[in-house]
Amino acid sequence: DVKVTQSSRYLVKRTGEKVFLECVQDMDHENMFWYRQDPGLGLRLIYFSYDVKMKEKGDIPEGYSVSREKKERFSLILESASTNQTSMYLCASSLNAGSASGTFGSGTRLTVV
Amino acid sequence: QKEVEQDPGPLSVPEGAIVSLNCTYSNSAFQYFMWYRQYSRKGPELLMYTYSSGNKEDGRFTAQVDKSSKYISLFIRDSQPSDSATYLCAMSETGGFKTIFGAGTRLFVKA
Repeated sequence: DVKVTQSSRYLVKRTGEKVFLECVQDMDHENMFWYRQDPGLGLRLIYFSYDVKMKEKGDIPEGYSVSREKKERFSLILESASTNQTSMYLCASSLNAGSASGTFGSGTRLTVV
Repeated sequence: QKEVEQDPGPLSVPEGAIVSLNCTYSNSAFQYFMWYRQYSRKGPELLMYTYSSGNKEDGRFTAQVDKSSKYISLFIRDSQPSDSATYLCAMSETGGFKTIFGAGTRLFVKA
């Protein structure tokens, strides 16, 4: 089974800090995704990547950036953390575009104080 | 209007009941329809997916898609306490990268 690993389960950061969330997948998937999950809003796509060094904005990219230097690793960066970025962040990977969305990591619960 | 609408619940049923979970959508271009199960403090796991219309069965789970009504359902037969989780519907277009998720329905199965 493909495994998607997110480096931290819980993070607490201060407003204005630069925050890095790391995600690694071990099945050579082409596509990787970052979502945030908030009560009542479901999962919202922040950014995705369909190849190394390639990235595309999702529905809510403001305040975030991403990096994909290697195929297996996809990093989400909060340039200057704000309290409204307190959320559950989920990374996912998939082999094919437009099909079932593949496998999710366990999530990182980020609290910005 | 959201692209995908899903009743958040919570839905509470006794063990052994048949559970019906539903989503409606507005984008007629959706072709892939998925159901994810998410346990507390875990990431979603893909439960079932169907392509286009029709039914798909896997053990106690049946997924149905009615594209004419833009309505999808997940049925759980003989529900178990271990089925207690949040169920997310999700949809995407053929060849598209974006998957649109419902907000999730929280299900409790009481022993």
